[in-house]
Amino acid sequence: AQKVTQAQTEISVVEKEDVTLDCVYETRDTTYYLFWYKQPPSGELVFLIRRNSFDEQNEISGRYSWNFQKSTSSFNFTITASQVVDSAVYFCALSETDAGKSTFGDGTTLTVKP
Amino acid sequence: KAGVTQTPRYLIKTRGQQVTLSCSPISGHRSVSWYQQTPGQGLQFLFEYFSETQRNKGNFPGRFSGRQFSNSRSEMNVSTLELGDSALYLCASSQDTYSGNTIYFGEGSWLTVV
Repeated sequence: AQKVTQAQTEISVVEKEDVTLDCVYETRDTTYYLFWYKQPPSGELVFLIRRNSFDEQNEISGRYSWNFQKSTSSFNFTITASQVVDSAVYFCALSETDAGKSTFGDGTTLTVKP
Repeated sequence: KAGVTQTPRYLIKTRGQQVTLSCSPISGHRSVSWYQQTPGQGLQFLFEYFSETQRNKGNFPGRFSGRQFSNSRSEMNVSTLELGDSALYLCASSQDTYSGNTIYFGEGSWLTVV
């Protein structure tokens, strides 16, 4: 069975601080996909990144970066120089072959204060 | 390119009633997935449709059903509503969820059962 754990329920930082959101996953499959989504108060889940199990390269996109480590089954997300607009709930998700049937973590609520 | 459209956005129903929610996927997308989001259970997979066929189903009772039409639009129905069905119902579309293709979510339908 798949499982995604986001141990941090809530994080509060002051603007311009760096913040890392942790994600640990469990799966028996050798092929799987990992996702991060952002959910603003409107409710829509906004796709941030997709990574497959064969690609362990870290990725950077602007102020966002992701660190994927299969050895520790972790897929952590870092926001550099956080901004108030980054305040949202962030979800890590795991899927095997079928991304339509994803398992989500419980989410981390990030609050960035001015 | 229009995003995933869900209607209605908000609705209130009484216990015992039934409800139908609609989802129009992104043009060209053939896969539609449904998720239920509640504070207690988080995001849980309901079912997925691809080319009018249910391809995956989550662990929900038979009161939850869905269908997909030839134009890929999907509906989900919940019969004999219970208080615990109050949730945000999210629809996601994808060209094809196999091979980990990205799924895009709508803003959701907020259902309150009283």
